[in-house]
Amino acid sequence: DQQVKQNSPSLSVQEGRISILNCDYTNSMFDYFLWYKKYPAEGPTFLISISSIKDKNEDGRFTVFLNKSAKHLSLHIVPSQPGDSAVYFCAASGGGSNYKLTFGKGTLLTVNP
Amino acid sequence: GAGVSQTPSNKVTEKGKYVELRCDPISGHTALYWYRQSLGQGPEFLIYFQGTGAADDSGLPNDRFFAVRPEGSVSTLKIQRTERGDSAVYLCASSTGQGEKLFFGSGTQLSVL
Repeated sequence: DQQVKQNSPSLSVQEGRISILNCDYTNSMFDYFLWYKKYPAEGPTFLISISSIKDKNEDGRFTVFLNKSAKHLSLHIVPSQPGDSAVYFCAASGGGSNYKLTFGKGTLLTVNP
Repeated sequence: GAGVSQTPSNKVTEKGKYVELRCDPISGHTALYWYRQSLGQGPEFLIYFQGTGAADDSGLPNDRFFAVRPEGSVSTLKIQRTERGDSAVYLCASSTGQGEKLFFGSGTQLSVL
């Protein structure tokens, strides 16, 4: 049973436009959400996070929105740049003392020049 | 070092052999995690160390898998009697233990022939 779902395996956008990556979760105990970016042959790198007490967090070109009632979050990248092309993973944590993350399968974003 | 270091970067072994994968976390990070990423999947939690002790090993798939962190720094993931299904990228991550932001290494690509 997948608790974190990224239903779009891939997304292609034009440089300068907005990229919207979506993530759904089923476990209502999750209270912290993160997005990681992964380039080939590298480990995932932290991008942005949001606590369940917020509905929006912004960091430069990256904004994460959380809709707790729908158990849905999204990552907006604007404007998209070719260097943003990577696999994006949504991850969730139930808090507690070990901060174990549950990841989605990832979405491959391609930003075309 | 500046980041999480994992060695080897690639390991090819034969079915039934024993392998050891090493992780050198960021200096001063007390929390260390092992994840496994199979093709087309997101990282899946294996085990979490806080200091020298395994605080949560609920993700280890069976008793062929074992991990140690004897001095609270470097960790070794040990796999006995390897099977072809063990083939995956094994990712190590560390954190300060103060939050969910994990810093990942580049991983070890394990191939069991």
